[in-house]
Amino acid sequence: SAVISQKPSRDICQRGTSLTIQCQVDSQVTMMFWYRQQPGQSLTLIATANQGSEATYESGFVIDKFPISRPNLTFSTLTVSNMSPEDSSIYLCSVMQGWKGYTFGSGTRLTVV
Amino acid sequence: QKEVEQNSGPLSVPEGAIASLNCTYSDRGSQSFFWYRQYSGKSPELIMFIYSNGDKEDGRFTAQLNKASQYVSLLIRDSQPSDSATYLCAASSNFGNEKLTFGTGTRLTIIP
Repeated sequence: SAVISQKPSRDICQRGTSLTIQCQVDSQVTMMFWYRQQPGQSLTLIATANQGSEATYESGFVIDKFPISRPNLTFSTLTVSNMSPEDSSIYLCSVMQGWKGYTFGSGTRLTVV
Repeated sequence: QKEVEQNSGPLSVPEGAIASLNCTYSDRGSQSFFWYRQYSGKSPELIMFIYSNGDKEDGRFTAQLNKASQYVSLLIRDSQPSDSATYLCAASSNFGNEKLTFGTGTRLTIIP
């Protein structure tokens, strides 16, 4: 399976600031997915990132709040902008690898104070 | 709205017994289904997937799919304390480059 390096692993941020999360995959993948997992909750898809095109956002998530970059087939970033305490969550990137299923990065635990 | 539903539990099962985890989905267009295990503070890890009606076995795990009833289940035989985790069911409308819709997860505790 692909190995996904995600960083930072955790951060504590002041409200009103922004944090950029990086996701690096050890093989080329067409699509990368960004999920959010709020405390005690399941995973919610934020957006799908394709290389060379704008990300596709799910209902309730907007580009101004969660801008995504996908400069090549192995890398993507998610920025959480103008943060509030409600943004405190675990953010996960994921890739699909055919029959091997979906693999997740180790996650970024974000706390906004 | 595509939904995947699970009993949140907690589900307590004695060590050595069979743990049965259930999942229903609302979108008849869903084609493939995944079971993930998530330990506290860790990211989800894939246990197995299924896309054909019937049973699929992998070691102590058996996934069952009934598309007519829109029902997926995961059986864990000979449950071990290390199986204690949250189990997430997920559905996809295309086995390939397609997003997953996750259920809320079932917390399983294996009692020694």
